[in-house]
Amino acid sequence: EVKLVESGGGLVQPGRSLKLSCAASGFSFNDYWMGWVRQAPGKGLEWIGEINQDSSTINYTPSLKDKFTISRDNAQNTLYLQMSKLGSEDTAIYYCARANIATLDYWGQGVMVTVSS
Amino acid sequence: DIQMTQSPASLSASLGETVSIECLASEDIYNNLAWYQQKPGKSPQLLIYYASSLQDGVPSRFSGSGSGTQYSLKINSLESEDAATYFCLQDSEYPFTFGSGTKLEIK
Repeated sequence: EVKLVESGGGLVQPGRSLKLSCAASGFSFNDYWMGWVRQAPGKGLEWIGEINQDSSTINYTPSLKDKFTISRDNAQNTLYLQMSKLGSEDTAIYYCARANIATLDYWGQGVMVTVSS
Repeated sequence: DIQMTQSPASLSASLGETVSIECLASEDIYNNLAWYQQKPGKSPQLLIYYASSLQDGVPSRFSGSGSGTQYSLKINSLESEDAATYFCLQDSEYPFTFGSGTKLEIK
């Protein structure tokens, strides 16, 4: 069974940084692209970016490219999202997802990040 | 960026009815379109990929169609469990972009 479990969310002050993790199991992690998507409260979905199997290619949505960094550790079957200079607009549920021939086919349950003083 | 215009924003239908949801891309996305269902408090679930391929385990009352810039999701014989918000996603060109969502209410 494919399982993705995000962690590392919580309350963070504006301007600070936060790193999210996504632990993967039930599939061969190093065979897949992986991605992050977020959803502000009561809003739609926003694609953040994706990373390929060996981390040689990472694509971001342009508006987040300078703030967010996606990485992965294949030995630990873990995906990461490093977020910096956080603002209230970054308050959202953050989902990790597996990319199967581009389509995001399995998603984690999500982790809430709240940016507030 | 490719813009995805999804309609309607909401709809209400009765049990057993058939409904359609549309997504219009700002340019040709060559069938690289997926549909997701999201229920309150849950993560999105993949229904359809590559415009018309049914994801494993998804009921056959869900179907997708379209080409070029116009795509649709059809749900036949609505059941109460179909009450959810539906999103399209273009995965043709980076950055990938979602439609704004359609909230489906079952009367």
